[in-house]
Amino acid sequence: QLQLQESGPGLVKPSETLSLTCIVSGGSISTDYYFWAWVRQPPGKGLEWIGSIYYTGSTYYNPSLKGRVTISVDTSTNHFSLKLSSVTAADTALYYCARDNSGYGSFDYWGQGTLVTVSS
Amino acid sequence: QSALTQPPSASGSPGQSVTISCTGTSSDVGGHNYVSWYQQHPGKVPKLMIYEVSKRPSGVPDRFSGSKSGNTASLTVSGLQAEDEADYYCNSYGGSNNLNVFGTGTKVTVL
Repeated sequence: QLQLQESGPGLVKPSETLSLTCIVSGGSISTDYYFWAWVRQPPGKGLEWIGSIYYTGSTYYNPSLKGRVTISVDTSTNHFSLKLSSVTAADTALYYCARDNSGYGSFDYWGQGTLVTVSS
Repeated sequence: QSALTQPPSASGSPGQSVTISCTGTSSDVGGHNYVSWYQQHPGKVPKLMIYEVSKRPSGVPDRFSGSKSGNTASLTVSGLQAEDEADYYCNSYGGSNNLNVFGTGTKVTVL
């Protein structure tokens, strides 16, 4: 059974960089056709796609966040990571990592999510 | 990249049907047959209910069905049950530059 687990600091100061890691277990991140994504949800609000990565390193980002987002993948340790720079309070959210089984938005496996608060 | 538009709320009595709309543009919903739907109970992880407009993953009851017409996709829940009370989000592929966009979300209440 595929499992995803987010990890990273729960508190980030304004203007600093948010860094999260998603460890994938029970399956290979290098499987063809699967994309690996970050999705966030501000408290009490809706879902927002942040970006996705293919195991080859090809990345796709939400245009509204482009310039601040970097997603990377490490196939040797079966994990992928998110960096979001110059954070503000508006970036406070529950951050999920997820598997997209097609590259077209079919997120079939999700991590439990990790709450990141941006505050001084 | 604007979120897809969903009604904030929808409701129905047990056994009835409820339909949720998801309106986008010709660049996303209308331009591709890659609309998915997610169910999220309070404090829980989103669950994939429908993908590629109308396909159901294994384990999802056939009470859940999806369709699309033009720039609007729809999720119908038939034979409403108490456990269907949740937030529902649509998602659409938006082309190679706007890979994915979620809807604004709809809270379904079972009366």
